[in-house]
Amino acid sequence: GNSVTQMEGPVTLSEEAFLTINCTYTATGYPSLFWYVQYPGEGLQLLLKATKADDKGSNKGFEATYRKETTSFHLEKGSVQVSDSAVYFCALSGYGQNFVFGPGTRLSVLP
Amino acid sequence: GAGVSQSPSNKVTEKGKDVELRCDPISGHTALYWYRQSLGQGLEFLIYFQGNSAPDKSGLPSDRFSAERTGGSVSTLTIQRTQQEDSAVYLCASSATLNTGELFFGEGSRLTVL
Repeated sequence: GNSVTQMEGPVTLSEEAFLTINCTYTATGYPSLFWYVQYPGEGLQLLLKATKADDKGSNKGFEATYRKETTSFHLEKGSVQVSDSAVYFCALSGYGQNFVFGPGTRLSVLP
Repeated sequence: GAGVSQSPSNKVTEKGKDVELRCDPISGHTALYWYRQSLGQGLEFLIYFQGNSAPDKSGLPSDRFSAERTGGSVSTLTIQRTQQEDSAVYLCASSATLNTGELFFGEGSRLTVL
């Protein structure tokens, strides 16, 4: 079945540091890939998505590129802020199938 | 409605009681999902609906859990004879389509079983 693996947290960075959160997936066919974010005390919300190979999703300074050859969708941001502290979930969805989420990676950004 | 609405937002119950959690998806969204999030944990898939049918019930933890959706809209997740390990936040999400559609999440229903 489909599955998502992402790096274990927590990740602690200083403000303005570079962020990478790794995500790899196993899926049949050509799934769509997503990053969701859960800020403290809030519900999950979509951060960015990519629906086909080589697509780059971007939002709020975050980027992720759909790499079919490495089955990866790593999340990156060049300069993190304290307000980026949250839990980040990588997810996939195949045609007619359920959404599958990774375990989440907690990010803490220190001033 | 404007967003996914879940009720109750908080529920405290005694072990052995039955509980019902309700989800009202975004109007027109055909797909509806239930997940469970335990403290500090990721999202555990429970069940999803396409219209009123549930093609995948594989995530329901036991036969104490059931869910239904009527009229292609509101869904109810029922937990019978609750146990302490059922304590979690139950999240509902809806999507306009099953494949590439974005999931819109509700605020969740926090269940505490004493």
